Amino acid sequence: AQKITQTQPGMFVQEKEAVTLDCTYDTSDPSYGLFWYKQPSSGEMIFLIYQGSYDQQNATEGRYSLNFQKARKSANLVISASQLGDSAMYFCAMYHWAGSYQLTFGKGTKLSVIP
Amino acid sequence: GAGVSQSPRYKVTKRGQDVALRCDPISGHVSLYWYRQALGQGPEFLTYFNYEAQQDKSGLPNDRFSAERPEGSISTLTIQRTEQRDSAMYRCASSLAASGTRNEQFFGPGTRLTVL
Repeated sequence: AQKITQTQPGMFVQEKEAVTLDCTYDTSDPSYGLFWYKQPSSGEMIFLIYQGSYDQQNATEGRYSLNFQKARKSANLVISASQLGDSAMYFCAMYHWAGSYQLTFGKGTKLSVIP
Repeated sequence: GAGVSQSPRYKVTKRGQDVALRCDPISGHVSLYWYRQALGQGPEFLTYFNYEAQQDKSGLPNDRFSAERPEGSISTLTIQRTEQRDSAMYRCASSLAASGTRNEQFFGPGTRLTVL
């Protein structure tokens, strides 16, 4: 069974600083994808970044990067140069390629950026 | 271009009533997913369609929940005889196709269901 663990219910970061949000996952399937989504207070779910299990390099999308450590089964999100607009809930999610591609989500981390 | 849309955005109903939640995916997206999100939690999978075929309904909590996508585009999630425990945000997502190695799912704004 798939499981996503986000151990940080809440995080604070100073504006313009970098922050790392933790995500560990549990799967016995070698083929999977990992996602991070942002959910601001407005409630929408915004795709941030994707990492495939066979990708050789860590994914990057602008200020977002994914620190993928396959042996440790971790996929931490790094946000550089935090902005006030980064304050939101962040969800880590996973799917398997063989199957319905349903996403399994963690419980989320609430990030608050302090001016 | 237009994203995933859902209607209604808010639905308040009395216990025992049936509700129908609608999802209009991104044009051309083959795959459509329904999720349910309780307050303070991540979304949980309910069901999934490829075109008009319901490929996986393992997440539907009981037989009061059903979904359809008759023409492979718009989908409706129906909850019969609603109960207070059904209160949640219901989210729809679509993707180009559930195949290959990357299947980015785009989410709609959700329908907030409150059962009194």
